[in-house]
Amino acid sequence: GAGVSQSPSNKVTEKGKDVELRCDPISGHTALYWYRQSLGQGLEFLIYFQGNSAPDKSGLPSDRFSAERTGGSVSTLTIQRTQQEDSAVYLCASSLAPEEKQFFGPGTRLTVL
Amino acid sequence: RKEVEQDPGPFNVPEGATVAFNCTYSNSASQSFFWYRQDCRKEPKLLMSVYSSGNEDGRFTAQLNRASQYISLLIRDSKLSDSATYLCVVGNQAGTALIFGKGTTLSVSS
Repeated sequence: GAGVSQSPSNKVTEKGKDVELRCDPISGHTALYWYRQSLGQGLEFLIYFQGNSAPDKSGLPSDRFSAERTGGSVSTLTIQRTQQEDSAVYLCASSLAPEEKQFFGPGTRLTVL
Repeated sequence: RKEVEQDPGPFNVPEGATVAFNCTYSNSASQSFFWYRQDCRKEPKLLMSVYSSGNEDGRFTAQLNRASQYISLLIRDSKLSDSATYLCVVGNQAGTALIFGKGTTLSVSS
């Protein structure tokens, strides 16, 4: 079956521009997560959506970062006024329920020049 | 104490060796435990869940010690293809998400 998909796979942008990253979770998965991984580093939790509940935004590094999940399915992560330190791989994962095993998408590699 | 702590390695072993990774976690109320594998420049993929009684999947054995808040992964008869970073993953205190360790890097050489 279809796994988690993300687009674009690569994004190069100039400092100060806004970017939108998209995630399509596995159908039927109620939980959706965004992570960030800088080169050679571990996964950094950003935000978590569960069903219709308010998202857990505790991992967002600044107010330039926001995310939405429409209709309980597709999610977009928006970074406004990008900075060079935002360069990383942004990974999306989904699971059937909280604390269940997560399945990851291939990630979006963001490069801010 | 960090929520999930792992020895970053790297562990460099020859083919055929047995290697063990350890992980400690801080939340005694955690109920979910997993090992994930991440290849270079790839996304993490589930290797195996970890159950209280311990479980085995081919050459891989996972153990959980709730009293010590300790998880282990044993790889027997290492293959070149086992070279990767192994992530220890634990459910968070709220029971709403998973916490990933920073990973242990394994390099298997011929």
